[in-house]
Amino acid sequence: QKEVEQNSGPLSVPEGAIASLNCTYSDRVSQSFFWYRQYSGKSPELIMSIYSNGDKEDGRFTAQLNKASQYVSLLIRDSQPSDSATYLCAVPSAGGGNKLTFGTGTQLKVEL
Amino acid sequence: SAVISQKPSRDICQRGTSLTIQCQVDSQVTMMFWYRQQPGQSLTLIATANQGSEATYESGFVIDKFPISRPNLTFSTLTVSNMSPEDSSIYLCSVDFPSTDTQYFGPGTRLTVL
Repeated sequence: QKEVEQNSGPLSVPEGAIASLNCTYSDRVSQSFFWYRQYSGKSPELIMSIYSNGDKEDGRFTAQLNKASQYVSLLIRDSQPSDSATYLCAVPSAGGGNKLTFGTGTQLKVEL
Repeated sequence: SAVISQKPSRDICQRGTSLTIQCQVDSQVTMMFWYRQQPGQSLTLIATANQGSEATYESGFVIDKFPISRPNLTFSTLTVSNMSPEDSSIYLCSVDFPSTDTQYFGPGTRLTVL
């Protein structure tokens, strides 16, 4: 089993809808989780971090963490065409040292 | 927020040559990392650049192929040695600021090897 798994997509949603992106991880002891957004040809940009079970909201973004089920999700409300990008889930690597392991990313397309 | 820069932003190189990529941060950071992102793929960690000591390489990456320097808390270089077309990738540095466990990425270096 891969350490971090994401559906590669593309996930297509209409403008104004809620986009739901999911990520599962294998290391039960992971304590922190990150969502990065990567536009085509650009480097990853951190958009959310979450450390505790439950929801964390930041503007139109909500991260949800369920450690028992080992999944973390990202909801984007009122999706805009500018949200079209690849979303990468990252968790600390098993080896420690602040290293991150990234999922393969989910491509999101927000259609007009 | 701090600014992370990389040089060059892109390059086209001939096989068998080497390229050194620089990563500069405008404030001191605790950790610096080098990643590779091959076309259509996610990020793969190459190594952790340790200040004042040898880099720590991930499985599948070796110092002879990817020598790394980190002479101080704001600067690091990654050299891609004896390049082949399979080395064509985006190379990214990331940094981890004091008192955080969050990584931020530089703009990346797009390398094409012919």
